[in-house]
Amino acid sequence: DAKTTQPNSMESNEEEPVHLPCNHSTISGTDYIHWYRQLPSQGPEYVIHGLTSNVNNRMASLAIAEDRKSSTLILHRATLRDAAVYYCILKGYSSASKIIFGSGTRLSIRP
Amino acid sequence: EPEVTQTPSHQVTQMGQEVILRCVPISNHLYFYWYRQILGQKVEFLVSFYNNEISEKSEIFDDQFSVERPDGSNFTLKIRSTKLEDSAMYFCASCCRRAGGDNEQFFGPGTRLTVL
Repeated sequence: DAKTTQPNSMESNEEEPVHLPCNHSTISGTDYIHWYRQLPSQGPEYVIHGLTSNVNNRMASLAIAEDRKSSTLILHRATLRDAAVYYCILKGYSSASKIIFGSGTRLSIRP
Repeated sequence: EPEVTQTPSHQVTQMGQEVILRCVPISNHLYFYWYRQILGQKVEFLVSFYNNEISEKSEIFDDQFSVERPDGSNFTLKIRSTKLEDSAMYFCASCCRRAGGDNEQFFGPGTRLTVL
């Protein structure tokens, strides 16, 4: 499975945008870039995914580099509830394919 | 909004005992998974299940583990003879109303298993 690299931790202020980076230089052409997050004492939660184009949903935006070797998850206006571990994951298209979680980025939000 | 549910939320057992962790996946989903997370560590894949059989399993999922979908709604993980190192949070997940579709996995809240 292709590997992703994320900073161990980041801090941001409430109500400000947050940019969470991820490097995936060995991504293959069929890998989708997925982001999940895990709030304290909860199960992982899907955030967003994309293949080549930038994606937006109600939770976040995903900006994918043209060469697909990196991506950035953007939380437009962080709230205290966004404090979580954020995982950047490469995943094949197959529905059955497992998720391989790394260590992720622990995001702290300052009030 | 549909969600994955798991019972119990916390299970305490003695070493060597059998435990069954239960999950109700999202209705009409086709793919089911178990993951576990030892305290302070990464979430680890255990097993995936599709069409009433195991699709893939990890090295962790040895002969002590089994999964079953007994009645079309529940999805269970059985640990035959628990060890101290089985203590962890166990997450069930489900995916996809059609094969080959968008593959967002929905996770349950987890069962905390404590083996004494």
